[in-house]
Amino acid sequence: QSALTQPASVSGSPGQSLTISCTGTRSDIGGYNLVSWYQQQPGKAPKLLLYEVNERPSGVSDRFSGSKSGNTASLTISGLQAEDEANYFCCSYAGNRLWWVFGGGTQVSVL
Amino acid sequence: VHLTESGGNLVQPGGSLRLSCVVSGFSILTYAMTWVRQAPGKGLEWVAVIGVSGGSTYYADSVKGRFTISRDTSTNTLYLQMNSLRVEDTALYSCAKVEAGGNPDSWGQGTLVTVSS
Repeated sequence: QSALTQPASVSGSPGQSLTISCTGTRSDIGGYNLVSWYQQQPGKAPKLLLYEVNERPSGVSDRFSGSKSGNTASLTISGLQAEDEANYFCCSYAGNRLWWVFGGGTQVSVL
Repeated sequence: VHLTESGGNLVQPGGSLRLSCVVSGFSILTYAMTWVRQAPGKGLEWVAVIGVSGGSTYYADSVKGRFTISRDTSTNTLYLQMNSLRVEDTALYSCAKVEAGGNPDSWGQGTLVTVSS
């Protein structure tokens, strides 16, 4: 029942690229360029991967990239590595009533 | 940057709890801070935010009038006072720093609140 819709799981082989989608509405993703992506390992705090759709914080690999089209944002992981196995979730600003909405998370498996 | 939540516990419906989030690596005087929760088997839900000045606070409709977000800048600690707790407030509660003009960026691991009789 998350506000933003993500696939529950995706998988890929080492070296491949994979893309995770995050679909919202014109009140959140479609209305603002304030989409963030996070990586979360079990039992650990989420780590920011991307902010403002496609900006990377210092220290985040350039294998992670983001884009947005209409009400859907996407995270692409290039050159998939075993260490990329984790849960990934998106977040969008949604105005000053709802503030932030989140995706339900996508489990990435490296085959 | 490190955020550490505490204060989660098992509490009966109608009870109260105060959650703490101790921050290191930056001053909470210079950033907005927020609480987010995740109920078992459900997605993340924004709960409350306190502005940079500390004078502006906003709440999700689901907690408005029952929860209060506050901060102590002398100890660099964020709080969430939760009153009139309901079974549906059961969740892992996490605090997060808000990047200037943007979204939550640095998060804690969370503290578990269970509301049950």
